[in-house]
Amino acid sequence: NAGVTQTPKFQVLKTGQSMTLQCAQDMNHEYMSWYRQDPGMGLRLIHYSVGAGITDQGEVPNGYNVSRSTTEDFPLRLLSAAPSQTSVYFCASSWDTGELFFGEGSRLTVL
Amino acid sequence: AQRVTQPEKLLSVFKGAPVELKCNYSYSGSPELFWYVQYSRQRLQLLLRHISRESIKGFTADLNKGETSFHLKKPFAQEEDSAMYYCALLPSGSRLTFGEGTQLTVNP
Repeated sequence: NAGVTQTPKFQVLKTGQSMTLQCAQDMNHEYMSWYRQDPGMGLRLIHYSVGAGITDQGEVPNGYNVSRSTTEDFPLRLLSAAPSQTSVYFCASSWDTGELFFGEGSRLTVL
Repeated sequence: AQRVTQPEKLLSVFKGAPVELKCNYSYSGSPELFWYVQYSRQRLQLLLRHISRESIKGFTADLNKGETSFHLKKPFAQEEDSAMYYCALLPSGSRLTFGEGTQLTVNP
């Protein structure tokens, strides 16, 4: 039981490039979400999903896309990377929306 | 809108001393509150939630609706308690909102 798995762990992009952060969970959780963690700003919700085929925006969705074609996977796409998207990204899943199970995080640097 | 405030970005105590990490929230309804912890090189994980009223690793937190606070306390800090702590609020029908986090360092 791997829990929540995120890839890659580290990534460096140039401004304007696109990429996808992968997230997979093997706990059969319906709820999945993406957060970004920035110093002094805590964790901010980017997008979330309450089940396959259903996604919604969080607090800071601009510049990011998500899809949920299966219960297990919830990829986060950066369409055209900007330096302001330099951050640590966390994927999380849960049975309910309070107790979240987090991945190890993906550290993204945009030059 | 709901908001969670952790006024201390950094907190340093000595081993064996009491520790209190402050959390204040603003929300007009009846909230669920949580503390999450991230130890060095480990995943962010749930430490405790107020509805369970448990003591986890010696930590307790009491919801004070009058003062809109949910401070995390431990009477005798240990070096292994050094970590980043996040307070989080779950408004009814919504998503978790996290505070800014407090980095706790317990010195030997």
